[in-house]
Amino acid sequence: KAGVTQTPRYLIKTRGQQVTLSCSPISGHRSVSWYQQTPGQGLQFLFEYFSETQRNKGNFPGRFSGRQFSNSRSEMNVSTLELGDSALYLCASSSRAWPGELFFGEGSRLTVL
Amino acid sequence: DQQVKQNSPSLSVQEGRISILNCDYTNSMFDYFLWYKKYPAEGPTFLISISSIKDKNEDGRFTVFLNKSAKHLSLHIVPSQPGDSAVYFCAARYSDMRFGAGTRLTVKP
Repeated sequence: KAGVTQTPRYLIKTRGQQVTLSCSPISGHRSVSWYQQTPGQGLQFLFEYFSETQRNKGNFPGRFSGRQFSNSRSEMNVSTLELGDSALYLCASSSRAWPGELFFGEGSRLTVL
Repeated sequence: DQQVKQNSPSLSVQEGRISILNCDYTNSMFDYFLWYKKYPAEGPTFLISISSIKDKNEDGRFTVFLNKSAKHLSLHIVPSQPGDSAVYFCAARYSDMRFGAGTRLTVKP
């Protein structure tokens, strides 16, 4: 079956702009979580959604937000972009309500100039 | 807050030898631990896991050891192969999944 699909794969924005990233989980998976990967920081947990409800949120400012639709697809939005937001944003889906094994997409590489 | 720490950013070993990757955690509520492997331009992929009620789990060349009293786990790869060269992330689960910063393993032929 198809894996986790993230779009766009690469994007370049300037400071102050906003960006929306999309994630389509594996069919049947209802949990979607988002991570930010930067050199030296590893994968930093952003938030996790299950059945359209945000269940957990990491320590990121309110500029980072997300949502999940009824078909389990998820989007995350970053407003008022800063240079430090440049990173690889990874989406992962899981078939279990309790965070189980995560299946990751290839990520969306965001560069903020 | 770094609840999961991988203090070695890189590790280099010779093909055929053992690779040992280490991970420390601070939250005693973590009940499940996982290792993920990541190649460039790909998302992380699951490698092996261990429940907090066990101290060892083996899968082929990969073994994970858990020392709960020390809040430490390690991944052993024996024998190491050049294809194992990747970044390895340690992860721990409680209400969500927390990851370490990763260790870049290089296996030299």
